[in-house]
Amino acid sequence: EVQLVQSGAEVKKPGESLKISCKGSGYSFTSYWIGWVRQMPGKGLEWMGIISPGDSDTRYSPSFQGQVTISADKSISTAYLQWSSLKASDTAIYYCAVKIAGYSSPWYWFGDYWGQGTLVTVST
Amino acid sequence: DIVLTQSPGTLSLSPGERATLSCRASQSVSSNYLAWYQQKPGQAPRLLIYDASSRATGIPDRFTGSGSGTDFTLTISRLEPEDFAVYYCQQCGSSPFTFGQGTKLQIK
Repeated sequence: EVQLVQSGAEVKKPGESLKISCKGSGYSFTSYWIGWVRQMPGKGLEWMGIISPGDSDTRYSPSFQGQVTISADKSISTAYLQWSSLKASDTAIYYCAVKIAGYSSPWYWFGDYWGQGTLVTVST
Repeated sequence: DIVLTQSPGTLSLSPGERATLSCRASQSVSSNYLAWYQQKPGQAPRLLIYDASSRATGIPDRFTGSGSGTDFTLTISRLEPEDFAVYYCQQCGSSPFTFGQGTKLQIK
């Protein structure tokens, strides 16, 4: 069974750093692109970027390029999303998702299987 | 970036009725790589349809995706109580892989 298990909710202050995680199991972790999706409170879904855990090839949405860093540690089947300096506007639920159906490519991605989401709250 | 516009914003129907949700793209979607998701409150999105018309694993056949180019449709043939949720489309063939703003399907 494919599973993505994300780290727990975080409460941070503006300016702090943060790294959240997404652990994959039940499939070949290095073979499929994992993505991150943001959902701000009461809003829709926003695609942030994807990573190929096998070689750490990473692609970002222009909206998030330079704002976050996506990485992966294939030895422990875990992908990460990190911020160096959080802002209040980073408050959101962050989902990881993996695309398994169809062929593997950075030019073709949707979320087959999703993590449960990590709520990040940034507040003074 | 490809902009996806979903309509209507809210759809009010009764169980047993047919639902038709629309997703229009600002430019042609590469190879009709379009997906549909369902999201219920407090839950992660769930993939329903990919490649415009392929049902994801375990999705009931009352969910049907259709369309090509810039116009796509998700049809739910006979609404069940568990189908009332928010539905998103996503274009999957051109980075950034943008989502529509969502259609809320609510009980009438």
